[in-house]
Amino acid sequence: DAGVIQSPRHEVTEMGQEVTLRCKPISGHNSLFWYRQTMMRGLELLIYFNNNVPIDDSGMPEDRFSAKMPNASFSTLKIQPSEPRDSAVYFCASSYQTGGRGYTFGSGTRLTVV
Amino acid sequence: GENVEQHPSTLSVQEGDSAVIKCTYSDSASNYFPWYKQELGKRPQLIIDIRSNVGEKKDQRIAVTLNKTAKHFSLHITETQPEDSAVYFCAPSGGPGGSYIPTFGRGTSLIVHP
Repeated sequence: DAGVIQSPRHEVTEMGQEVTLRCKPISGHNSLFWYRQTMMRGLELLIYFNNNVPIDDSGMPEDRFSAKMPNASFSTLKIQPSEPRDSAVYFCASSYQTGGRGYTFGSGTRLTVV
Repeated sequence: GENVEQHPSTLSVQEGDSAVIKCTYSDSASNYFPWYKQELGKRPQLIIDIRSNVGEKKDQRIAVTLNKTAKHFSLHITETQPEDSAVYFCAPSGGPGGSYIPTFGRGTSLIVHP
């Protein structure tokens, strides 16, 4: 298995633009998580899905952020419009269940909003 | 929710020394205790984990010990090497049926000096 695949690896965009981050979880994993990592706040859970259904999006910072999981092998995190404070590394992770097993993280997307 | 704290936040050792990182948690229902290693610019990766029915687990130079009564678990690295330099995160979780998502600690930056 190729692991959790995220794209793009790096994204530089101008303030106000829409940004879409993509994730393909490991085949057979039924839980998918989106995290944001910054020096100031560490690893923050934004949203997670179980069997393609969003379970908890309380970590999504505001309405500019949205996430979808149309099928078991694909998820997107969208920011519209983007702001400089959204600059961070965004990780996707997947697991066999929500807790009780280790996660496999993707390589992350480093987002810079200028 | 779970309150997770790691100590110390930074640990500097000489090559060959041992390193110990402690993680305290608040939710007595937690029953899965992993440690992740994140090298600079890379993804967090699971390096060792333990379940609540076991007090200690070893894997070559790393070990994890658990004190469920006191609600803390520790990562032990012996004979440290420069490639052990990284940020280490604990992320307790579990609950009934693995339903509780992990809460990540803020991380401990380990620096191993050659």
